[in-house]
Amino acid sequence: DSGVTQTPKHLITATGQRVTLRCSPRSGDLSVYWYQQSLDQGLQFLIQYYNGEERAKGNILERFSAQQFPDLHSELNLSSLELGDSALYFCASSVAEERSDTEAFFGQGTRLTVV
Amino acid sequence: DAKTTQPTSMDCAEGRAANLPCNHSTISGNEYVYWYRQIHSQGPQYIIHGLKNNETNEMASLIITEDRKSSTLILPHATLRDTAVYYCIVRVAGTGRRALTFGSGTRLQVQP
Repeated sequence: DSGVTQTPKHLITATGQRVTLRCSPRSGDLSVYWYQQSLDQGLQFLIQYYNGEERAKGNILERFSAQQFPDLHSELNLSSLELGDSALYFCASSVAEERSDTEAFFGQGTRLTVV
Repeated sequence: DAKTTQPTSMDCAEGRAANLPCNHSTISGNEYVYWYRQIHSQGPQYIIHGLKNNETNEMASLIITEDRKSSTLILPHATLRDTAVYYCIVRVAGTGRRALTFGSGTRLQVQP
């Protein structure tokens, strides 16, 4: 158990809909990262939040957005869903001190299926 | 961060050592080598990281060549549960806030 909790584990929804994925980081971790992994694809970094503020953006579509709340949990919002958005979505957290070299801890992911 | 090259796939017999190579010929002096693995559809799991010295923990050993242009992850006694995709990642030291960049990795199949 990595200590990172993602809900729900599975989600099936129709095209055009909007969903919210939730991530609770490890206790004490200030940074949250979201990744997307499509079928047979690599892990693509989407976005990072650090202590409530957006820190870095990767290959995140404009239809996607995220936020990190004061209790440090994070939500990834996916809207106007398309079939191609079907994927595993992972959240990771780390202590993320500026000069640190610590590892990141990943949740077990949310499997999103768009039909 | 330096680019890494890994074999696409490898096989290993159960109980034998699995040696997974990684080439990072453009690595800089302040870049660490990290290894993560992803067991089928689970979240990636940290294994080990090192700068220049060899490192060992309860999961694996990391051997970095003297010129630091390549490294080998060693799983001393591979089990079926070690079947996974293994990612070698190079990252600048002191950038703990930055997201990890994953390549294609090596798919290790441990055979019974």
